[in-house]
Amino acid sequence: GNSVTQMEGPVTLSEEAFLTINCTYTATGYPSLFWYVQYPGEGLQLLLKATKADDKGSNKGFEATYRKETTSFHLEKGSVQVSDSAVYFCALRRNGATNKLIFGTGTLLAVQP
Amino acid sequence: DTAVSQTPKYLVTQMGNDKSIKCEQNLGHDTMYWYKQDSKKFLKIMFSYNNKELIINETVPNRFSPKSPDKAHLNLHINSLELGDSAVYFCASSQDSNTGELFFGEGSRLTVL
Repeated sequence: GNSVTQMEGPVTLSEEAFLTINCTYTATGYPSLFWYVQYPGEGLQLLLKATKADDKGSNKGFEATYRKETTSFHLEKGSVQVSDSAVYFCALRRNGATNKLIFGTGTLLAVQP
Repeated sequence: DTAVSQTPKYLVTQMGNDKSIKCEQNLGHDTMYWYKQDSKKFLKIMFSYNNKELIINETVPNRFSPKSPDKAHLNLHINSLELGDSAVYFCASSQDSNTGELFFGEGSRLTVL
C-alpha cells in the first residue's frame, strides 16, 4: 500500500541552525509529494511540492528534493527562525488515483531563540 | 475573507448527543474534504465530495454522515457521540479532485465528555 514515514519529533533547534526532517515513502507508480505545515492553532498549509523524480520544491527558505532512488523527500532549511516552530507533515498522492492525500504522522519543530 | 471557514471552532458535548460541524469555502473549488486529527496529530481522511458527489468514503462509523448541499458547502453530522470521537476535525477544499494542493480550515475541536 501507499504510506509515508517521517522522523519522530519533537525536533528542538536553536535559531539559525540547519534543519532536516526526514521523510520516506512507499507507493506504487510515481506519486506526487508534498510538505504541509501546521502552525499552532491553525489548519495545514501547503509549504512545497514536487511532482516527479529529481524535482525540487522550495518555499520560504525550505527545500525538498524528490529522490526516487531512495524514495525520500527530506525537508531542509539552512537557517531556522523561531517563527518556523510548527508541525510539519510529509504527504503523498498517487497520480491518477482518486484524490486521497496520505499524510505522515507529523514532526513537531520547536525553535528556541 | 477566510477561504475555508468552519463552525463551530470549539464544541464540548456529552456522550450520546448529536452534533454538526459546518464548512464553507469561497475559493470556487470543486472538491471538499473532511479530515480527523487525533491527539497525536495523526491526520486521516474521512470523506471527500466532488461537485456534491461523494468520491471518498473511508472506513468511518456510519454515525458520521456528510452532506454537501452545494459545492461550496460540506457539513458533517455525528450521531450518538462517543468519547473516541474527541478530535480536531478539519475541512479542506481543492480546485478539483486531481490535485494534492488542499486548502484547510482552522479546524473544529470536538470534546466529548
